[in-house]
Amino acid sequence: IVLTQSPGILSLSPGERATLSCRASQSVTRSNLAWYQQKPGQAPRLLIYGASARASGIPDRFRGSGSGTDFTLTISGLEPEDFAVYYCQQYANSPRTFGQGTRVEIK
Amino acid sequence: VQLQESGPGLVTPSGTLSLTCTVSGGTTISFYWSWLRQSPRKGLEWIGNIYYSGDTTYNPSLESRVTISVDTSKNQFSLKLSAVTAADTAVYYCARGVGYMDVWGKGTTVTVSS
Repeated sequence: IVLTQSPGILSLSPGERATLSCRASQSVTRSNLAWYQQKPGQAPRLLIYGASARASGIPDRFRGSGSGTDFTLTISGLEPEDFAVYYCQQYANSPRTFGQGTRVEIK
Repeated sequence: VQLQESGPGLVTPSGTLSLTCTVSGGTTISFYWSWLRQSPRKGLEWIGNIYYSGDTTYNPSLESRVTISVDTSKNQFSLKLSAVTAADTAVYYCARGVGYMDVWGKGTTVTVSS
């Protein structure tokens, strides 16, 4: 399954809402889709699994939604620490695959 | 739970890349463990995973060159990638999970060069 993320770069100000898209080349069964956040020099950090369940310790400003082939990560009220690269990943099929990432940068 | 990758940072072309992931603060038993890598050219790429019992699943694109093993007595799991080329230069991560990965190591950079 090929995952295509858009936009490639999102330029926003702190406090604004970020909407990130992940589109799959075929249906992701059972909403087996995850979102990760990665900051420079760090490993990815799990944010969302099952398309909409927040991982342990993830603030509720992070919201995942969608099903089938279209998924969205919404960050309501960007905090300074949220500026990073975000990846979606499907685990419905093997091999597991990742999107190419969306960079959220400070405007 | 914390994961730590270890192994050579430089591998010669056509050689074998060998990495170990040590699990601390928890056990390898009853969990799946994964290896992934990240490069500017290919982005994040899943290499494969192993259950503590030893059952493995590999990415078909790498399957002919990959071996993942686990040693529950040492709380470690390992990656071997043979016949490496410059295209295998990447940051290699170990992680916990078979679907989504909820715990990651910090990653280790492996360069393939003579």
